[in-house]
Amino acid sequence: GAVVSQHPSWVICKSGTSVKIECRSLDFQATTMFWYRQFPKQSLMLMATSNEGSKATYEQGVEKDKFLINHASLTLSTLTVTSAHPEDSSFYICSTNQNNPSGMGFGPGTRLTVL
Amino acid sequence: EDKVVQSPLSLVVHEGDTVTLNCSYEVTNFRSLLWYKQEKKAPTFLFMLTSSGIEKKSGRLSSILDKKELFSILNITATQTGDSAVYLCAVIYNYGQNFVFGPGTRLSVLP
Repeated sequence: GAVVSQHPSWVICKSGTSVKIECRSLDFQATTMFWYRQFPKQSLMLMATSNEGSKATYEQGVEKDKFLINHASLTLSTLTVTSAHPEDSSFYICSTNQNNPSGMGFGPGTRLTVL
Repeated sequence: EDKVVQSPLSLVVHEGDTVTLNCSYEVTNFRSLLWYKQEKKAPTFLFMLTSSGIEKKSGRLSSILDKKELFSILNITATQTGDSAVYLCAVIYNYGQNFVFGPGTRLSVLP
């Protein structure tokens, strides 16, 4: 599958601050990337589809003004959690190439803890 | 409502046992079903199933899809402690536009 990196791996922040998570496709030009959230002992939930050069598509129930997605290049998508609160604490994972699921690459994930 | 269900949600076995994990789905315009293994971080791909009745194998793991009864099973024979993980199934549906994960089965293999 595609090789994907995420940064940072782990972040702790105070309530009210904003956190940016980067997702990079290292060996594949990704016109589309996907952002997932995973709460403890739960499955991955798709948050949004990030489209290079255009607006992201958000899943129902995901606040687009809170979770800002920017996909400015074919190798980088960013997710910014604005005004983070403790309930935003979760494991955030990005992926590429959903149209070829056997080649789908997941990033290693970012664990966000909001105090 | 489109959904993917997995059972059991949690399973504890001893090394050497054989396990069968189940994934059933109700979606519109099903395309494919996928199995992933998730340990501490991101999921790793195991199998993709599109056609009914064709078993896919990889070592001690195998999987098969039944599109009539809308389910798939993942078999692991001669389990090892390294098989301990969450096994996720995911379904692509709605002409490939939607992709959803099931809740996962947490497998613990004891020595």
